[in-house]
Parts: sequence; structure tokens; C-alpha cells
Amino acid sequence: GAVVSQHPSWVICKSGTSVKIECRSLDFQATTMFWYRQFPKQSLMLMATSNEGSKATYEQGVEKDKFLINHASLTLSTLTVTSAHPEDSSFYICSASMGLAGSQQGETQYFGPGTRLLVL
Amino acid sequence: GESVGLHLPTLSVQEGDNSIINCAYSNSASDYFIWYKQESGKGPQFIIDIRSNMDKRQGQRVTVLLNKTVKHLSLQIAATQPGDSAVYFCAEIGSNDYKLSFGAGTTVTVRA
Repeated sequence: GAVVSQHPSWVICKSGTSVKIECRSLDFQATTMFWYRQFPKQSLMLMATSNEGSKATYEQGVEKDKFLINHASLTLSTLTVTSAHPEDSSFYICSASMGLAGSQQGETQYFGPGTRLLVL
Repeated sequence: GESVGLHLPTLSVQEGDNSIINCAYSNSASDYFIWYKQESGKGPQFIIDIRSNMDKRQGQRVTVLLNKTVKHLSLQIAATQPGDSAVYFCAEIGSNDYKLSFGAGTTVTVRA
């Protein structure tokens, strides 16, 4: 149980285009979803936290107008990289939690398999 | 194939030996710690967790040790197998926070 999927698993796009990445909780309701970015040989860096039906909370240094997050339902969150540039090329990973951020249930995050983005 | 005390970015282990992966954390308010395994091109996979009111927890072939005095966390893998080759991350959550903060990661390579 507690499976999280991401689509697509990899994407190549031209500079200036927008790319949407989906994150789905397949067998549970995700009250909270998180988006991380991971550059090669580096650790995961939290980009933003979202609760279903409300605006995402972005980490310092993450442009909210560039990385649009929509958490429209309890099983789906999307990350749209707008006007992508080569420096946005990275591995994007989502995670989902059954509880609210800050609750004990919210401590457990189930990670998706990641989406590799290459911007040419 | 053991490393004790210092965080090393890479660890090479002979198959069948025990592995020790170390992690230092900086936030003394952290009260929940997790070890993740990440294989190449995949998302992190939960291995084991521990709360700050414990100093040791055991799972299947894995043991996590927590030393709050020196803010040190370690993961021990018994009888390391080729399938254990991966990057291992420690992560922490503070008592006044909800965000997972990941450590730098250790790449474990198992030699046949």
C-alpha cells in the first residue's frame, strides 16, 4: 500500500516551453503533497508543500510563478515548470502524506519514482 | 568495509560484510529521524526510522543508532548484499517543523 506514481517518468523539452508533471497517490488520500528537486549527486531539496484545495507554500528561493503547483484533489498534485530553461533540468520527486503537515501522521511521506526533466 | 564517526560520501563494502553509514545532524530540536535508500533513477525508499526518545531501533538486517549528545545517526546493514548498492540518505524532522531535511547522502557500492 501507499503507492505514489509520477507521470511522465522522463521528459525532454525545448527551452521556453512549459512542462507539467503529475503526482498521484494510488491507494490513499494525500492530505499533503511535497515537491522536491534533486540535482546530480546531490540531496533532495524541498521546493514546496501543498495541501489539497489551498495554495502551496514555497521554500525560500523557489519562484512560485515559475513552478506552479496545483493540488486539486486528494490524489493528484501537479507541478508545472513554466518557460523552462536548461538550468531547470533536474530530477523532480514528489511525496505524499496522509496527514496534515505538522501532525504525526503527516511525518510519513511516501515518495514517487521521480521525473527526470531535460531542457534543451 | 566499515566507517565509524565520520560521514563519508562513498563506502565500498565486500559482499557479506556489515556496513555502517554515518550522518551528523545540526538541529538539536529534531525529534524524528529516517533513513532512506535511493537507487539510481528512482525515488527514495523508506528503510527505518527512530524517534528522539530512543537510541536504537532494529529492523530486518538494519539497525539505526541515535546519539543525541553528539547529534549523530548511523545505519548499520548486516551481511551487505549486492542489492544494497544505492545512495543512502538520513533525514530529520524538527519538533517545531514538518519538513524533511535530507543529509548529503552516502553512496554504497557492494563488491562481489
